[in-house]
Amino acid sequence: DARVTQTPRHKVTEMGQEVTMRCQPILGHNTVFWYRQTMMQGLELLAYFRNRAPLDDSGMPKDRFSAEMPDATLATLKIQPSEPRDSAVYFCASGLVLDANTGELFFGEGSRLTVL
Amino acid sequence: SQQGEEDPQALSIQEGENATMNCSYKTSINNLQWYRQNSGRGLVHLILIRSNEREKHSGRLRVTLDTSKKSSSLLITASRAADTASYFCATDEPYNAGNNRKLIWGLGTSLGVNP
Repeated sequence: DARVTQTPRHKVTEMGQEVTMRCQPILGHNTVFWYRQTMMQGLELLAYFRNRAPLDDSGMPKDRFSAEMPDATLATLKIQPSEPRDSAVYFCASGLVLDANTGELFFGEGSRLTVL
Repeated sequence: SQQGEEDPQALSIQEGENATMNCSYKTSINNLQWYRQNSGRGLVHLILIRSNEREKHSGRLRVTLDTSKKSSSLLITASRAADTASYFCATDEPYNAGNNRKLIWGLGTSLGVNP
């Protein structure tokens, strides 16, 4: 049963600390998305990759956030230094995106981040 | 930016009743998708409807699409307590050389089904 795996599920940290979230997308999917979900803003797109190449990270605060995909089985989202306003649930999703169509996305269970 | 807008923001019904949620969007689309999110969980894909389709069914779900009005509706028939969740629509814009493929999300409808 193929699924997107995210770690950690929960993270509590103090302001200023580095946070790294990891995602294992579904094998064969060519696109990986990082989203942030809050009650106020809803689902925000932070960054995404196609065939491991970054396509758009305009949704990310670049001074503190970075996203990478070192290989086809791992995507990472790093926050350094973290701030209380970064508290949110971070989702990774993967899917097969072709020229004519974005198909269904498969989401991980999310990483709930609390920055004190 | 959010393109889809779900309506209503929140809906509370009794078990057995039907639930209807609407989604409006702004630009032309290639397809529209509906997702469900249970509390504390990730989003789960429910159904995809293409721009040349008008209606689609999947079990107790019925989705309609009106491209002239740029709107879609999701109908859940004979609702159950387990249908309690948030429901999101997402649109896929037609491909052109200037845009990278990504979905545009609405803010969701929170559905509560009372037993």
